[in-house]
Amino acid sequence: QVQLVESGGGVVQPGTSLRLSCAASGLTFSIYGLHWVRQAPGKGLEWVAVIWGNGVTKDYGDSVQGRFTISRDNSKNTLYLQMNSLRVEDTAVYYCATDAGGAAFDYWGQGTLVTVSS
Amino acid sequence: EIVLTQSPGTLSLSPGERATLSCRASQTVSSTYLAWYQQKSGQAPRLLMYGASSRATGIPDRFSGSGSGTDFTLIISRLEPEDFAVYYCQQYRSSPWTFGQGTKVEIK
Repeated sequence: QVQLVESGGGVVQPGTSLRLSCAASGLTFSIYGLHWVRQAPGKGLEWVAVIWGNGVTKDYGDSVQGRFTISRDNSKNTLYLQMNSLRVEDTAVYYCATDAGGAAFDYWGQGTLVTVSS
Repeated sequence: EIVLTQSPGTLSLSPGERATLSCRASQTVSSTYLAWYQQKSGQAPRLLMYGASSRATGIPDRFSGSGSGTDFTLIISRLEPEDFAVYYCQQYRSSPWTFGQGTKVEIK
């Protein structure tokens, strides 16, 4: 079965960097679009970024544009999110999710918590 | 950006009752690109419905979705104990992908 496992979360200070990973199994990784979605404590879902199968086409939400970089390694079945210049408001659980192409997000990981605090 | 507004914010119902959740979009969303997710406390969201009215794999038929244009509805025909959760609608027609703010279905 499809499994997505996020890692890399933790407690960091404002202005610093962190890289999240999402390891996938049970699917043909390279054909899927992959999204990062975050959820601040007690809040709703916010789309962060997407990367398509070729690894070239990417898009970002306005709140992270220019600070976060999404990437993927199809040889390792792994998705990444490089987060730079972190802000307190980036504190959230970060989920990765799959997209079969113009489709809803059919598989989700369990999430990894990022806390940005001084 | 397409803004999705869900109502009500909280729905207090008893097991066995019918739940009707609404999602309104700020501009037309093709029904092809409207999804519903269920999120239980401490868990990741789970896809319930896609294309407004198609159930995802393994979703029981007490869940149904409908709508078009700017107005969409999720109905749970008879609430089971495991259905008490937060529900989000989402449009995936265009970037940025957006979610509604959620409707919490709680036990009355």
